[in-house]
Amino acid sequence: GAGVSQSPSNKVTEKGKDVELRCDPISGHTALYWYRQSLGQGLEFLIYFQGNSAPDKSGLPSDRFSAERTGGSVSTLTIQRTQQEDSAVYLCASSFSPGSYEQYFGPGTRLTVT
Amino acid sequence: GNSVTQMEGPVTLSEEAFLTINCTYTATGYPSLFWYVQYPGEGLQLLLKATKADDKGSNKGFEATYRKETTSFHLEKGSVQVSDSAVYFCALSAFNAGGTSYGKLTFGQGTILTVHP
Repeated sequence: GAGVSQSPSNKVTEKGKDVELRCDPISGHTALYWYRQSLGQGLEFLIYFQGNSAPDKSGLPSDRFSAERTGGSVSTLTIQRTQQEDSAVYLCASSFSPGSYEQYFGPGTRLTVT
Repeated sequence: GNSVTQMEGPVTLSEEAFLTINCTYTATGYPSLFWYVQYPGEGLQLLLKATKADDKGSNKGFEATYRKETTSFHLEKGSVQVSDSAVYFCALSAFNAGGTSYGKLTFGQGTILTVHP
C-alpha cells in the first residue's frame, strides 16, 4: 500500500517568506509526528498529533513554527518569516497508534532558505 | 531529559568485516529502543527494535540487545555487505508523565557506514 508522502520534495525560499509543508500519513494511522533533520542538530522531534487530542508542540523551536492536522489525516507544517537556520530536511512519520512503536517515515521535504 | 549517544563515524569497512556501532542512552523509566537506517536517497526505515531489558532485536543479519545495566543498545553484524552502506540512527521512545508511551523518538547523531568491496 501507499506509504507516507510529503510535498514538496524540495523547497527553496527567500529569507522572510512563509512556507507550508504537507504530509499525507498512511491511511488508518492515528498518530502523526514531524521531525527535523539538520547538520547541526541531527534528528529532532517537532510536534505530535494523536486523533482529536491536543497536539504535543514541545519540540517546536519558535513561535514561527506551527502545524495542524485536518480531519485526523493530512498535516501541514507552516514556518513563518523563514530564517537561514530553518534550512533542513523536514520529516513526517505516522504510526497505527502511539503505542505500536513502529513509525513509518516519509521521504522528507528539503527546505533551503536563501 | 532523554538522550542518545552513538558512536561517531564515519565507519569504513571491507565487505565481510564485523560491524559494531555503539549506542548508549539516558532516559527516565524504561524506554523502547530502536535502530533506524537511512539508505542513500531513501527515507528512514526501522531496522530493529527492543521493548524491554534483555530483549534482542534482529533483522537482515543485524542484532542489538537491550542492556539495562549498561544503558546500551549496540548494533552488530557479523559480515557486512556493500549494500549495508547507509546512515544508522539509534533512538529511544519517550514516555509521558502518566508512564505510557506515545512514541516520540529521541535520536542519536547518526553513524555513516561505508562498506567497500
